[in-house]
Amino acid sequence: ILNVEQSPQSLHVQEGDSTNFTCSFPSSNFYALHWYRWETAKSPEALFVMTLNGDEKKKGRISATLNTKEGYSYLYIKGSQPEDSATYLCATGDSSYKLIFGSGTRLLVRP
Amino acid sequence: DAGITQSPRHKVTETGTPVTLRCHQTENHRYMYWYRQDPGHGLRLIHYSYGVKDTDKGEVSDGYSVSRSKTEDFLLTLESATSSQTSVYFCAISENRAGYSNQPQHFGDGTRLSIL
Repeated sequence: ILNVEQSPQSLHVQEGDSTNFTCSFPSSNFYALHWYRWETAKSPEALFVMTLNGDEKKKGRISATLNTKEGYSYLYIKGSQPEDSATYLCATGDSSYKLIFGSGTRLLVRP
Repeated sequence: DAGITQSPRHKVTETGTPVTLRCHQTENHRYMYWYRQDPGHGLRLIHYSYGVKDTDKGEVSDGYSVSRSKTEDFLLTLESATSSQTSVYFCAISENRAGYSNQPQHFGDGTRLSIL
């Protein structure tokens, strides 16, 4: 089974801090990399889907980059706010194109 | 928001009883998925469907079966529930194979299942 790793597992930052975390995945047979934001007691919400090496996506204060050759993606949050507190999941496709999820990075932003 | 409804939203049942969870979509998407969420594991795929009557296993399919008799409905059944199946279950849909396209999956609100 394809292995998707996310680091760190959890992160506590102060309001206003910028932060970033990593998603690592096998670089062979790559098709797509997904990022989801998952607030407690809610359902995961799609942030980005990236398919090309060098892709960069941005949504407000959140951005993501993709390196398919070395098998990693970074998610950046600029000027973190308490409402950014959530678990951030990444996922990529396996050989039959099902999504395999990492275990997530839990972000807590303190006011 | 994608039109996905999971039912029931909460259920408590006893070990050994059968349980069926329902996912209903109004988006006419071809692909539907059942995941379970457990601490330390993120989301793990149980079963998925790529069309009416077309289903396949995910990474944690033991003890679960699924059926899809209509495009809009995907049922997950625990034939004889065990305490290890206590979890939060999420249904998801996608227009194309999520691992191969530039389209995301959309998730339902989840079903919290407790097996005593």
